[in-house]
Amino acid sequence: GESVGLHLPTLSVQEGDNSIINCAYSNSASDYFIWYKQESGKGPQFIIDIRSNMDKRQGQRVTVLLNKTVKHLSLQIAATQPGDSAVYFCAETWGAQKLVFGQGTRLTINP
Amino acid sequence: KAGVTQTPRYLIKTRGQQVTLSCSPISGHRSVSWYQQTPGQGLQFLFEYFSETQRNKGNFPGRFSGRQFSNSRSEMNVSTLELGDSALYLCASSLNEGATETQYFGPGTRLLVL
Repeated sequence: GESVGLHLPTLSVQEGDNSIINCAYSNSASDYFIWYKQESGKGPQFIIDIRSNMDKRQGQRVTVLLNKTVKHLSLQIAATQPGDSAVYFCAETWGAQKLVFGQGTRLTINP
Repeated sequence: KAGVTQTPRYLIKTRGQQVTLSCSPISGHRSVSWYQQTPGQGLQFLFEYFSETQRNKGNFPGRFSGRQFSNSRSEMNVSTLELGDSALYLCASSLNEGATETQYFGPGTRLLVL
């Protein structure tokens, strides 16, 4: 499998519980944020995005919260399932230039 | 619709050699971006191509280069390989240029430099 980080922060949750993954972003001028999921041996997969003029956005079982005051982004996953096990990355961009990725958080699901 | 494909999937080279990696975007997508992923530095943007032109570039030395063809397929080249170039190289395609376009990633090419 793919080792995306030797010392990634890890979050362990029980199957069925809700997960909250946090991300501190770097640039106060960032205007667009994305969450990606990367499973072992695969490339990152888009989960959900949010623009800076919003503070919350919901998808299927996922919610992204944006707090621009403290430059903080979170991803909430409801009713976590074994298939949610992966590394989760937040990414930011400003002026539609390049994406800047966070270090990632490894989510493991306990049966 | 087929996803982003990258070839080869695995590659072993020695220091000083050069390497060319290939990326075929999703049909209809005109933008291709390249990223390097390592355990130490994480995911870092290399460059983006749109309409055969480089639109954005990350902070990598000139040994890293790329190009895009008229059918939107892209290649990236790394010359004079160094041990630190060992990484997973990811390609992502999107309909149009710009980081706010949803990017679809391929599985990556794992490069090992010995």
